[in-house]
Amino acid sequence: QKEVEQNSGPLSVPEGAIASLNCTYSDRGSQSFFWYRQYSGKSPELIMSIYSNGDKEDGRFTAQLNKASQYVSLLIRDSQPSDSATYLCAVSRMDTGRRALTFGSGTRLQVQP
Amino acid sequence: GAVVSQHPSRVICKSGTSVKIECRSLDFQATTMFWYRQFPKKSLMLMATSNEGSKATYEQGVEKDKFLINHASLTLSTLTVTSAHPEDSSFYICSAKGQGVSREKLFFGSGTQLSVL
Repeated sequence: QKEVEQNSGPLSVPEGAIASLNCTYSDRGSQSFFWYRQYSGKSPELIMSIYSNGDKEDGRFTAQLNKASQYVSLLIRDSQPSDSATYLCAVSRMDTGRRALTFGSGTRLQVQP
Repeated sequence: GAVVSQHPSRVICKSGTSVKIECRSLDFQATTMFWYRQFPKKSLMLMATSNEGSKATYEQGVEKDKFLINHASLTLSTLTVTSAHPEDSSFYICSAKGQGVSREKLFFGSGTQLSVL
């Protein structure tokens, strides 16, 4: 079982729609959760971070965390063609002293004009 | 926001040569640097973690003699791919964490695309 799992996609949504991206993780000790956006050939860009159960909203983005279900999601409202990219879910533990992130393989999002 | 500069952005080399990739934190002191490798359409895989002034900690399966990491100062870490071979062709990305930076937030370099002929 992969530590962080994501559907590879592509997830195709029309412009203006809500895109829903999902991620599950296996390590119950994970305490920090992140969503990164990566354009082809570029490095990841942090979109959202979430640390406690519930929803966290930032502009058009909402991250949702459910630690009991080991599930984290990202909602993108009013999707734009410029949102087309690969979205990486990442998790980390804080208690081991390691600060490296474990990444999922990413979900490719395509927003159709 | 914090900036991490990575050079070169792209390098093409012959098999058997060594390639050095630099990663600099421009406006903060990077106490920890992480080096990742990413193959096409795959996720980032952690190669090693380096703390300033100490030896790097390598992930299982990563050859420390092949991927030399130096973190001699709080603003500079280097990854040297020694005796590169075609299978080393990949996208290498550094990321840095520093003192005073928001909890668990990492800042990524722009990446280096290595192509070994």
